[in-house]
Amino acid sequence: GNSVTQMEGPVTLSEEAFLTINCTYTATGYPSLFWYVQYPGEGLQLLLKATKADDKGSNKGFEATYRKETTSFHLEKGSVQVSDSAVYFCALSDRGSGYSTLTFGKGTMLLVSP
Amino acid sequence: EAEVAQSPRYKITEKSQAVAFWCDPISGHATLYWYRQILGQGPELLVQFQDESVVDDSQLPKDRFSAERLKGVDSTLKIQPAELGDSAMYLCASSLAWTVQETQYFGPGTRLLVL
Repeated sequence: GNSVTQMEGPVTLSEEAFLTINCTYTATGYPSLFWYVQYPGEGLQLLLKATKADDKGSNKGFEATYRKETTSFHLEKGSVQVSDSAVYFCALSDRGSGYSTLTFGKGTMLLVSP
Repeated sequence: EAEVAQSPRYKITEKSQAVAFWCDPISGHATLYWYRQILGQGPELLVQFQDESVVDDSQLPKDRFSAERLKGVDSTLKIQPAELGDSAMYLCASSLAWTVQETQYFGPGTRLLVL
């Protein structure tokens, strides 16, 4: 079956530090890959996505590249801000029993201090 | 920007009581999803609708959970009777279509506490 593995948190960084959150996946088909962000007490917001191998998704300074050879979709940001503190979820969308299903990782909490 | 609406935002109930959650997807979105998110975990799909039809409810505990989307627009998820283990965040999402590339847009969620 499909699965997503993320690095465990919390990840604690100082403002302006470089961020990497690792994500690897297992899928039976040709999935699309997503990063969602969840702020405290809120729902999930799409951060970026990539739909085929070697695609790079980017948004708000965050980037992730769909690497089929390593089955990875690592999230990076060059300079984090306090406002980036949240939980980040890696997810894949694959064809289930005729319809697409979204499988999430367990989430990685990011804490950025001033 | 259009959003997925959910209500209530918070619900406290006693075990064995009935609870219901409501979701209004983004206008024009044919596919609607209900997820359950346990604290510290990622969301897990409970049920998926395409228009008014259920297309995946394999993870829905059907002895106590039910979901409907009668007119293919808004949807209701019900739990009867609630159990302590049902305490979680219930998230609704919608997408324009069910294809693999399509983005799912999430509502703010309903946080349920069963006492």
